[in-house]
Amino acid sequence: DSGVTQTPKHLITATGQRVTLRCSPRSGDLSVYWYQQSLDQGLQFLIHYYNGEERAKGNILERFSAQQFPDLHSELNLSSLELGDSALYFCASSVATGTGGNTIYFGEGSWLTVV
Amino acid sequence: GESVGLHLPTLSVQEGDNSIINCAYSNSASDYFIWYKQESGKGPQFIIDIRSNMDKRQGQRVTVLLNKTVKHLSLQIAATQPGDSAVYFCAEHRQGGKLIFGQGTELSVKP
Repeated sequence: DSGVTQTPKHLITATGQRVTLRCSPRSGDLSVYWYQQSLDQGLQFLIHYYNGEERAKGNILERFSAQQFPDLHSELNLSSLELGDSALYFCASSVATGTGGNTIYFGEGSWLTVV
Repeated sequence: GESVGLHLPTLSVQEGDNSIINCAYSNSASDYFIWYKQESGKGPQFIIDIRSNMDKRQGQRVTVLLNKTVKHLSLQIAATQPGDSAVYFCAEHRQGGKLIFGQGTELSVKP
């Protein structure tokens, strides 16, 4: 158990809908990261928050957004869902900003299926 | 484009043998590399990491080797066990905490 908690574990929704994925980082970790894992794209970095502020953006679609709250939990919002958004979404956390040597721990993921 | 690639998509070894999983990376400026293990239905699990100022680091039954000259990383697992069966990813750390993952190598351990 990495200590990173994600909910829900599984989610099935229809195209065009909006979902929110939730993440609680490890106790004491200030950084939260979101990754998407699909069969054709592998593990792709989406976004990084540190202590409530956005620090880095990766291949995140405009239909997707994220935020980190004062209690350090984070939410990833996915809207206008398309079939291609079906994937595993991972949250990860680390103590600091991820500079080299700062271990990043992953949660168990949220399986999103868009039908 | 940027990428961290794995030389072999699958690796099958006999229980008790040593396993070597290879990885090539493209950004010579990367300063930190990590190996993750992912079992079916689970998230990536941290195994071992190495900074770019090192060429070798050992953990329990695992060793990571870094060759910056040829931008190559390897993970060695000693006395491979059935519980080691999983997909192994190398990841290259970039600015802002971004990890660039390789495609993964599926390790299968035969009893």
